[in-house]
Formats: sequence, structure tokens, C-alpha cells
Amino acid sequence: QKEVEQDPGPLSVPEGAIVSLNCTYSNSAFQYFMWYRQYSRKGPELLMYTYSSGNKEDGRFTAQVDKSSKYISLFIRDSQPSDSATYLCAPRRVGFQKLVFGTGTRLLVSP
Amino acid sequence: DSGVTQTPKHLITATGQRVTLRCSPRSGDLSVYWYQQSLDQGLQFLIQYYNGEERAKGNILERFSAQQFPDLHSELNLSSLELGDSALYFCASSLASNNEQYFGPGTRLTVT
Repeated sequence: QKEVEQDPGPLSVPEGAIVSLNCTYSNSAFQYFMWYRQYSRKGPELLMYTYSSGNKEDGRFTAQVDKSSKYISLFIRDSQPSDSATYLCAPRRVGFQKLVFGTGTRLLVSP
Repeated sequence: DSGVTQTPKHLITATGQRVTLRCSPRSGDLSVYWYQQSLDQGLQFLIQYYNGEERAKGNILERFSAQQFPDLHSELNLSSLELGDSALYFCASSLASNNEQYFGPGTRLTVT
């Protein structure tokens, strides 16, 4: 079993839709949960991160962590064609620098 | 633009050869990380340096080595290259060891 699992997609939605991207993980020691966006052939771009459980909002993006079920979500409101990319979750442990990446979910937002 | 630079953008070489990938971190960042992204393995952590010293090691092969220089730029050396080493190699940097990591544009290595 991989430490971090993501549905590879693609997830296709119309412009303006609310998008839900999800990850599950197996290591209960993970405390930081990062979300990266990666456009084709580009480097991953840090979107946001949360520490431990709870929600965090940044503009159209909301990150949610449920440590009891080891479930991470990223919600995108009013999705735009420019949001079309691969979204990677990457948790890590406190005191450890290594990010453990999921395989990423490819999102396609059509105009 | 994350502020992390990597050279070269593309590299094509033959099996058995050796290459060096270069990374310059964001201004002020002391930590440098190297990751490998391949189609079948996804993004895998290789190694981390902090202010010139190795700080953490991941799934890095013995044929690979890295270092961080006094000016904080880093180099990843890949030797005795195999077809399976073809991948995107990313460098990331952070202010300290426990901060957010910002990724460079990557170096695409093709081994033929």
C-alpha cells in the first residue's frame, strides 16, 4: 500500500463548478499537509498547506484535513479553465523534511 | 516564478554517461531538496541539504550524489546512467528545514 493515494483522474468539470480533490494516507505521524498544483511540464507550485486537522481557506481554495479518517481534501470554488492542471497532495511529518507525494489528480475545467 | 532556477532545462545523454544538474535556491533560502518525477513512480524525494550539509536522504541511488556549495547552489550528479533514470528532476528550496518548499522548473533528463 502506498503511503499517499490519489485518484489519477482525469476529473472533468464545466467552468464555475465546485471541485473536490481528495487524498488518503496511511501514516498517522503526518502533521503537515501540502497541496501543490503542477501544470504540464512545469514545476509543482505550492497552493496552500494545513497543520494537523481542520480547514484553511485561501481565496477560491479550501483545504480540509480529517486525521481521524486520514483523509485530505482540496475544494476549488468557481473553477476556471486556468485551474486545469494536476493537483498533488504531499503530507510530511514534523521534524522530517521529506514530502511524500501522491500521484496527483488531473483536473480539466472546460469553458 | 518560484525564484528557484535549474539548469539545464533538457539533457539528452547515453547510457553509462555522467551528468550534473544545477540548482540555485530562492534568495535567502538555506535548504535545497532534490526530487525525481517519473511516470511510474511519481515525485520521489532524493536528498536534502541545509546550509552546505546533508540533512536528509530518501530514495537516492548510490550512483547519484549531490552537494551544496558555500554560495548555497546545489548540484546533483548522476553517473553510470541507465534508461530508467530518464525523468524530470526537480530542485526545491526553503528558508529553513521546516518550511514550505518551493520548486524550480525542473531538468528533463533523457537517457538513450
